[in-house]
Amino acid sequence: SAVISQKPSRDICQRGTSLTIQCQVDSQVTMMFWYRQQPGQSLTLIATANQGSEATYESGFVIDKFPISRPNLTFSTLTVSNMSPEDSSIYLCSVGGKQTPSSYNEQFFGPGTRLTVL
Amino acid sequence: ILNVEQSPQSLHVQEGDSTNFTCSFPSSNFYALHWYRWETAKSPEALFVMTLNGDEKKKGRISATLNTKEGYSYLYIKGSQPEDSATYLCAFRSNDYKLSFGAGTTVTVRA
Repeated sequence: SAVISQKPSRDICQRGTSLTIQCQVDSQVTMMFWYRQQPGQSLTLIATANQGSEATYESGFVIDKFPISRPNLTFSTLTVSNMSPEDSSIYLCSVGGKQTPSSYNEQFFGPGTRLTVL
Repeated sequence: ILNVEQSPQSLHVQEGDSTNFTCSFPSSNFYALHWYRWETAKSPEALFVMTLNGDEKKKGRISATLNTKEGYSYLYIKGSQPEDSATYLCAFRSNDYKLSFGAGTTVTVRA
């Protein structure tokens, strides 16, 4: 398994500002994922971040709004830009196993960042 | 976006009672079905990964079954304890390896 930490654990931000969330993993992983859970909704994949390449965004999410960095195999950041109250969510970092078909079954999550935008 | 539904949305259980709840998912392009347990301010904890039709998995008092042909999974909690209080998430992994989550079932165990 992988141990994942996130910073900050929670924050309250003003409309129009930006927040960068950090994700640190205790081992090297190929694939890192960013999810969010809006109140009352399902966990939704924002993007997949692979080291050394641009992040791949899911439908409805764009790089200008959610820029992602992946400087090495143990770290990633997600920035929520120009925030509005609709961005109030729990944001979770997740990592997958080694990039082989048999290990796609393993996926682990950080504790999340609870963001409130006023 | 794949349709993964969990029911009920929430339930209250008396300590010592057993309970179960459902996850329904698409019956096509199935790769795996995951169950997670998520307590507030903690990481979602992986409970089970199920890949074969008819799979049954058990971890302590918690067990799960899988029917890929009809697209559903049940999670059972036997002899509920207050520490079982959490939100239980199921997630469907399709052949493109992406996870689609249900909205969760929140279980509250009353002492």
